[in-house]
Amino acid sequence: AQSVAQPEDQVNVAEGNPLTVKCTYSVSGNPYLFWYVQYPNRGLQFLLKYITGDNLVKGSYGFEAEFNKSQTSFHLKKPSALVSDSALYFCAVRVSGTYKYIFGTGTRLKVLA
Amino acid sequence: NAGVTQTPKFRVLKTGQSMTLLCAQDMNHEYMYWYRQDPGMGLRLIHYSVGEGTTAKGEVPDGYNVSRLKKQNFLLGLESAAPSQTSVYFCASSYSPVGAAALGTGELFFGEGSRLTVL
Repeated sequence: AQSVAQPEDQVNVAEGNPLTVKCTYSVSGNPYLFWYVQYPNRGLQFLLKYITGDNLVKGSYGFEAEFNKSQTSFHLKKPSALVSDSALYFCAVRVSGTYKYIFGTGTRLKVLA
Repeated sequence: NAGVTQTPKFRVLKTGQSMTLLCAQDMNHEYMYWYRQDPGMGLRLIHYSVGEGTTAKGEVPDGYNVSRLKKQNFLLGLESAAPSQTSVYFCASSYSPVGAAALGTGELFFGEGSRLTVL
């Protein structure tokens, strides 16, 4: 079965420090991977995606993600965290051969001032 | 630009009642989705549609029905609500970027959510 795992329920980081939110996947065929962010009482917003090409993908708000095929990972990163980055982050994968997207369980990011 | 609009935003039902959630998008997207979000479980796909007049089951379709009579609208129905359907429901839409190699690789655009409580 195709799936996405986010192994950390919560990540705490100090403002100004680099942050990483982890995601691993299991898919057949080419993986199409996505990151979304959710602020309290809001819908999800798209951050970035990997479809093909360069393994380092840059997205909105200074976020980037590194696709690693051998480790089946797609970790979200940012060089310098802001308090305003505190939110719930979801990794998602498009199921091969379909138009369905499967989401991880989410990681809550807390950036401490 | 409204994007994806969900109505209603909040609803309280009694067990056994029925209701319909409406999703409307103004981006001319082909694909539309209904997800439910529950604590610790992320988002789970209920039903989706790849075009007007078509629907398909997702991961957790039981107890729900959907219809896509118009391209811009995707309705989610609960015929006989149960407490287990208490959740936050999100509608999303998507597109296929130009080019055969990129079919189905557009990102999802989400509505603001509909919070449903079943007593």
